[in-house]
Amino acid sequence: DQQVKQNSPSLSVQEGRISILNCDYTNSMFDYFLWYKKYPAEGPTFLISISSIKDKNEDGRFTVFLNKSAKHLSLHIVPSQPGDSAVYFCAASVSPGGSEKLVFGKGTKLTVNP
Amino acid sequence: DAGVIQSPRHEVTEMGQEVTLRCKPISGHNSLFWYRQTMMRGLELLIYFNNNVPIDDSGMPEDRFSAKMPNASFSTLKIQPSEPRDSAVYFCASSSQGPETQYFGPGTRLLVL
Repeated sequence: DQQVKQNSPSLSVQEGRISILNCDYTNSMFDYFLWYKKYPAEGPTFLISISSIKDKNEDGRFTVFLNKSAKHLSLHIVPSQPGDSAVYFCAASVSPGGSEKLVFGKGTKLTVNP
Repeated sequence: DAGVIQSPRHEVTEMGQEVTLRCKPISGHNSLFWYRQTMMRGLELLIYFNNNVPIDDSGMPEDRFSAKMPNASFSTLKIQPSEPRDSAVYFCASSSQGPETQYFGPGTRLLVL
């Protein structure tokens, strides 16, 4: 039973345009959400996070939006760059500092075309 | 800092053989995680340790899998006997506090023939 779902296995966008990656979750106990980025032959690296008390968090070109009522979050990358081409994983946790257990989605492969 | 170190990076073995994956966490980190990545199931947590003690092993698929952390700087994940369905990329991660500070190693790509 996938508690964190990324329904789009892949996404292709043009350089300079916006990339929107989506994630849905089913467990209402999740209250902390993260995005990780993974390049081939490397481990995932932390990108950005959001607590359930917020609906938006921004870090440079990356913004994460959280819609708790819909159990949905999205990652916006503006403007997209070829170096952003990677697999993006959505992850969820029950309270940071409590359980450190993360539940990951299957990932979305983003390709940014020059 | 060298980051999380995993060995071997690649492992090819035959069904029935014992496989041992190794991980050296970042110095000073007190939590260690073992993940498995497959196309079908994505990235799933197998087990995690805090201060060398296993906290949650509910993700360990079956008794063929075992993990140890004898000290703060070393952990192993063992599969005995291995089966073709164990073929995957296995990641080790460590953290000092909170889920966002999990640092992943480069992974071990395991192929069981």
